[in-house]
Amino acid sequence: EVQLVQSGAEVKKPGESLEISCKGFGDTFKNQWIGWVRQMPGKGLEWMGIIYFRDYDTRYSPSFEGHVTISGDRSIATAYLQWKSLKASDTAIYYCARAPEGMGSTPRPFDVWGQGTMVTVSS
Amino acid sequence: DIQMTQSPPTLSASVGDRVTITCRASQGISNYVGWFQQKPGRAPKSLIYATSILQSGVPSKFSGSGYGTNFSLTISSLQPEDSATYYCQHYHSYPHSFGQGTKLEIK
Repeated sequence: EVQLVQSGAEVKKPGESLEISCKGFGDTFKNQWIGWVRQMPGKGLEWMGIIYFRDYDTRYSPSFEGHVTISGDRSIATAYLQWKSLKASDTAIYYCARAPEGMGSTPRPFDVWGQGTMVTVSS
Repeated sequence: DIQMTQSPPTLSASVGDRVTITCRASQGISNYVGWFQQKPGRAPKSLIYATSILQSGVPSKFSGSGYGTNFSLTISSLQPEDSATYYCQHYHSYPHSFGQGTKLEIK
C-alpha cells in the first residue's frame, strides 16, 4: 500500500524561504505524478501544480507559478514544494497527492494523499 | 482556465436519504472529472475518477455521472459518517481546478 508522508509543521516569518517535502513509501514514483494542493484556513482545495517523476515535467497553476517551485528526486521517492520569499497569505495546509499515469501519460485525479503540512507565516 | 461550479454550497439530509451534488464545468471536459471527500481536520479522500469509476475501496453507495459540462455525485443510504465536504475536480487541461465544495450535514 502506497503512503505519502509529509514533513512537519513550519512557522516562518514573511520573506523567509521554505521547502516542505513529501516522501513515498511502497512506491518508487517512477511513472507517477505528484501534485500539491493548498487549503487556506476554512477554505476549499486549490490545485497548485504537479510533477511527473518519469521526466520531471512540471506544470503550475497560473495562480502559483513564479511564487513556488515544485521539484522531486526519484531516487528517494520524494517531492518538494519550495518558496523563496514567503508571504503571510501563504499560511495554509499544503497537501501532496499522487496522480496515477493515465492516457497519454497525463495525470488522472489524485488517489493517495499525504497527511498535510501546516505552514504558518507571521511576523 | 476551466472553472468548476458546484452546487449547492451546503446540503442537509437525514440518515437513509439519497443526495446529489452537481458540478458544472465552464467548458466541455469529456469525462475528466474526479470527486473527493474531506472530513474536518483530515486530508481529502479520493472517491471517483473518470466521472463514474470508484477508487479502490470506495463503497458502492457513492456513484457519479455526467459528461461534457454537467456532472453529479450521488450518495445513497446516508449515514452519519458521510458528513463531510465534497469537492469535484477536472483534469481535462491545466490547471486541474477544484470546485468550491459542498458541505453535507446529516441531521
